[in-house]
Amino acid sequence: DAGVIQSPRHEVTEMGQEVTLRCKPISGHDYLFWYRQTMMRGLELLIYFNNNVPIDDSGMPEDRFSAKMPNASFSTLKIQPSEPRDSAVYFCASSPNRSPGEQYFGPGTRLTVT
Amino acid sequence: KNQVEQSPQSLIILEGKNCTLQCNYTVSPFSNLRWYKQDTGRGPVSLTIMTFSENTKSNGRYTATLDADTKQSSLHITASQLSDSASYICVVSPLPSGSARQLTFGSGTQLTVLP
Repeated sequence: DAGVIQSPRHEVTEMGQEVTLRCKPISGHDYLFWYRQTMMRGLELLIYFNNNVPIDDSGMPEDRFSAKMPNASFSTLKIQPSEPRDSAVYFCASSPNRSPGEQYFGPGTRLTVT
Repeated sequence: KNQVEQSPQSLIILEGKNCTLQCNYTVSPFSNLRWYKQDTGRGPVSLTIMTFSENTKSNGRYTATLDADTKQSSLHITASQLSDSASYICVVSPLPSGSARQLTFGSGTQLTVLP
């Protein structure tokens, strides 16, 4: 298995532009998580899905952030419009069962908003 | 509020030496505690997981200990290698363990191993 796949690995964009981050979870995993990591705040859970359904999006910082999971093998995290304070590394993770701690992380997308 | 505090924030050691990283938590009741290793530019990878009834768990040169009474865990690295240079993150899951929202992440210890 290739593990969790994220694209792009790096994204540089200007303030105000739309950014879309993509994730392919490990096949057979029922849970998918989106995290943001910064030096100041560490890892923060943004949203997670179970069987493609959003369960908890209380970590999504603002209405500018949205996430979708149209099928079991694909999810997107969109920021529109982007702001410099959104600069961070965004991780997608998937989990095979209900135990939320057993997560397999992707390599992350480093987002820079100028 | 559930908290996980890790120390030290950063650590530099010479190759071949041992080191111990600390994790103190306030999460209660407690389900399990996991140590992750995060290499630069990569996502975290799970090293060990311990439930409240376990005192120690090993994974090669990595040994995690847990004292549920004092709410402390440590990760001991033996005979360090250059490849051990990474951030080590402690993650605690409370009871009931059904919601990922309840996971509490530490801020990590940045370990640098020098030749």
